[in-house]
Amino acid sequence: SQQGEEDPQALSIQEGENATMNCSYKTSINNLQWYRQNSGRGLVHLILIRSNEREKHSGRLRVTLDTSKKSSSLLITASRAADTASYFCATDPGGYSTLTFGKGTMLLVSP
Amino acid sequence: KAGVTQTPRYLIKTRGQQVTLSCSPISGHRSVSWYQQTPGQGLQFLFEYFSETQRNKGNFPGRFSGRQFSNSRSEMNVSTLELGDSALYLCASSPEETGGTDTQYFGPGTRLTVL
Repeated sequence: SQQGEEDPQALSIQEGENATMNCSYKTSINNLQWYRQNSGRGLVHLILIRSNEREKHSGRLRVTLDTSKKSSSLLITASRAADTASYFCATDPGGYSTLTFGKGTMLLVSP
Repeated sequence: KAGVTQTPRYLIKTRGQQVTLSCSPISGHRSVSWYQQTPGQGLQFLFEYFSETQRNKGNFPGRFSGRQFSNSRSEMNVSTLELGDSALYLCASSPEETGGTDTQYFGPGTRLTVL
């Protein structure tokens, strides 16, 4: 079963707008990661935030983590058509375990 | 460095057959994980190998098996294929000892269709 649940399931915006996706999870985590997947292809790692971090930036991406609420958000600023993809959060429960992925948010950025 | 490669990219099989998928990790990566992705269930973890040992296994029937070779290349096998095995099978590698939960570098996937 999925540990992380993304919200919304789908998001449609215009180029230049910001896109915000949320991820909620159930158990304590060591780190949380965000990945992007273009249609039917492999996933690409975007950013990893550790449980002791609250915010992290990478280019146009901003990720926040609230461990008290067991939630994370991914903000993409000034979206481009090339950002059209599915975005997944993945949680790491710690130890020699494995990542658990959510079902993803499908983002459509229209020119 | 070359990325993770998976072969074949597309595969069509019939029910009851078996299939073997191959994954070559990024050079130097010792952890290899396999995932199954379907529209209904999303991304589900199959297994993770590190230094030729299966370290973690997901909740899949015994028809799904895998192995890792000394050069870190990995294969997964599905026997007695069922229609529900149609999916995108993704392989990911990681350089770290705690590879299963560190940054995963994914291959392009193998699209398996079972008729």
